[in-house]
Amino acid sequence: SAVISQKPSRDICQRGTSLTIQCQVDSQVTMMFWYRQQPGQSLTLIATANQGSEATYESGFVIDKFPISRPNLTFSTLTVSNMSPEDSSIYLCSVEALGGGSYNEQFFGPGTRLTVL
Amino acid sequence: RKEVEQDPGPFNVPEGATVAFNCTYSNSASQSFFWYRQDCRKEPKLLMSVYSSGNEDGRFTAQLNRASQYISLLIRDSKLSDSATYLCVVNPWTGGYNKLIFGAGTRLAVHP
Repeated sequence: SAVISQKPSRDICQRGTSLTIQCQVDSQVTMMFWYRQQPGQSLTLIATANQGSEATYESGFVIDKFPISRPNLTFSTLTVSNMSPEDSSIYLCSVEALGGGSYNEQFFGPGTRLTVL
Repeated sequence: RKEVEQDPGPFNVPEGATVAFNCTYSNSASQSFFWYRQDCRKEPKLLMSVYSSGNEDGRFTAQLNRASQYISLLIRDSKLSDSATYLCVVNPWTGGYNKLIFGAGTRLAVHP
């Protein structure tokens, strides 16, 4: 399994500012994923981050708005830039690792609850 | 059409009841399927994978119908602790990496 921590756990930010969310994993993983879960909705994949290469963004998400860093195999950051109230959401980091059933599964961090005023 | 569709519920059932959730997916090339459970204000956690032959884990049974692009989850003898949102998850396998597509979730509330 994988144990994932995220910082901050929550934040309240002003419109127009930026917030960087950190994700730390207790083991080395090839791929890390960033998801968004807006109020009352399910998870939407923002991007996939591999160490040593640029992140791959999903449709509707761009690097200028959500720059991602992946400096090593246990750490990644997601920045939410020039925030607006529509960015209020929970942001979750996820990794793929060997699960209890001896196959790969995705594990999620506890999430960062962001409120933009 | 959404890639993964679920009835949002809520399903309100008494303890001991049997409840079934359904899910449909649009991409016929999807390779793997899962049910995740998400408790209120918590992260999703894998409940079980769904195999073509169907699989069972205690009180939980998952089934896949590829022809109809349909997934189900059956919970028998519901417990209060089963109250949560159940997310149907599909891996469309885009050829590069394991990308997961989440349904909006089905809320289950089990009452005494």
